[in-house]
Amino acid sequence: EVQLVDSGGGLVQPGGSLTISCAASGFSFSSYWMHWVRQAPGKGPVWVSRIDSDGSGTSYADFVKGRFTISRDNARNTLYLQMNSLRAEDTAVYYCVRGAPGFDCWGQGTRVTVSS
Amino acid sequence: DIVMTQSPDSLAVSLGERATINCKSSQSVLNNANSKNSLAWYQQKPGQPPRLLIYWASTRESGVPDRFSGSGSGTDFTLTISSLQAADVAVYYCQQCYSAPYTFGQGTKLDIK
Repeated sequence: EVQLVDSGGGLVQPGGSLTISCAASGFSFSSYWMHWVRQAPGKGPVWVSRIDSDGSGTSYADFVKGRFTISRDNARNTLYLQMNSLRAEDTAVYYCVRGAPGFDCWGQGTRVTVSS
Repeated sequence: DIVMTQSPDSLAVSLGERATINCKSSQSVLNNANSKNSLAWYQQKPGQPPRLLIYWASTRESGVPDRFSGSGSGTDFTLTISSLQAADVAVYYCQQCYSAPYTFGQGTKLDIK
């Protein structure tokens, strides 16, 4: 069974840092682009970042560029998102997503709350 | 950035009737390399992540009931539910997968009339 398990969310103060993770199983993780998508309470999903299958290429939404870093460990089948200089507007559920034609598999999400 | 605009914002349809949701992109999402439109549709129910229904504008994801269909090309796309079931109550999103940032529409809330 294809599965993505997101973890590492929590409460962090404005200006703080947090790294969230996604453990993949049931498919050849190293063959797929992977993405992070976030969804603020009561809002639609918003794409945050993606990484190529071998980690050689990345891209970011403008609103996180320079603050967030996506990475992956294909030996451990794990995707990461390091988030620095967090702001209140970064509060959301963050989903790890497999990229195929269409985002075909989503984690259950991990909640990040930025508040003092 | 490609802007995705859905219409209507909300929709109420009787059980067994047809539901139609439209999505317009601010520029073409036709991938010239494979002549396919990089447009996907998702269904989201409360407390759940989005679920992929349709990709390449008209290809149904495995396991999705055949009452769901997608059509369109270039900048104008449609998701049709041919005979609405109670289980179809949800918010529906379109997304362009053509170029980063991979933008979503604002969503269409579908209810039973």
